[in-house]
Amino acid sequence: EDKVVQSPLSLVVHEGDTVTLNCSYEVTNFRSLLWYKQEKKAPTFLFMLTSSGIEKKSGRLSSILDKKELFSILNITATQTGDSAVYLCAVAGDSWGKLQFGAGTQVVVTP
Amino acid sequence: DTGVSQDPRHKITKRGQNVTFRCDPISEHNRLYWYRQTLGQGPEFLTYFQNEAQLEKSRLLSDRFSAERPKGSFSTLEIQRTEQGDSAMYLCASGGRGTNEKLFFGSGTQLSVL
Repeated sequence: EDKVVQSPLSLVVHEGDTVTLNCSYEVTNFRSLLWYKQEKKAPTFLFMLTSSGIEKKSGRLSSILDKKELFSILNITATQTGDSAVYLCAVAGDSWGKLQFGAGTQVVVTP
Repeated sequence: DTGVSQDPRHKITKRGQNVTFRCDPISEHNRLYWYRQTLGQGPEFLTYFQNEAQLEKSRLLSDRFSAERPKGSFSTLEIQRTEQGDSAMYLCASGGRGTNEKLFFGSGTQLSVL
């Protein structure tokens, strides 16, 4: 059975800090790993990673995948209060769009 | 706003009642998904349509749950004889040609069964 484990489950940081979120996975016929941000309701897409070792960046956020060790990290630098959210990691295996999600990491950024 | 809309945003019902939720995906997307999310957990896959065909259902989807996408556009999810354990956020997502596994989620319908 496909499995995604995220750590830590929650963390509190001060504005300006850097955070690193972890996602490890086991999936049959890996297609891709995705990161989403969920602030209140709708998860919003951040990154999709398919190849090992290639960093994806968007502003202060970046992510990288290690397909050999079966994990990914999401980094947020110079955190702002608007980064407070739950960050979800998901993997796609056999079926298009049938994503297996982890439980998420709750990030709280204090002023 | 991702372009996926869900209605209603909130639903409170009594145990044993039937409820129906609606999802309108991004118009050019041919794939539509339903997920369920409970507090402190990530979304769990329920079912998936490609156009009007329901291609996959999770074993989480008991026979009290039924989903339709009659014309390959909007979809409905009905829960019959609701139970307190059905209380959750029901999320709809869509994806299209060229988006691969990248899904666009709606804001969800929060169901509370009393």
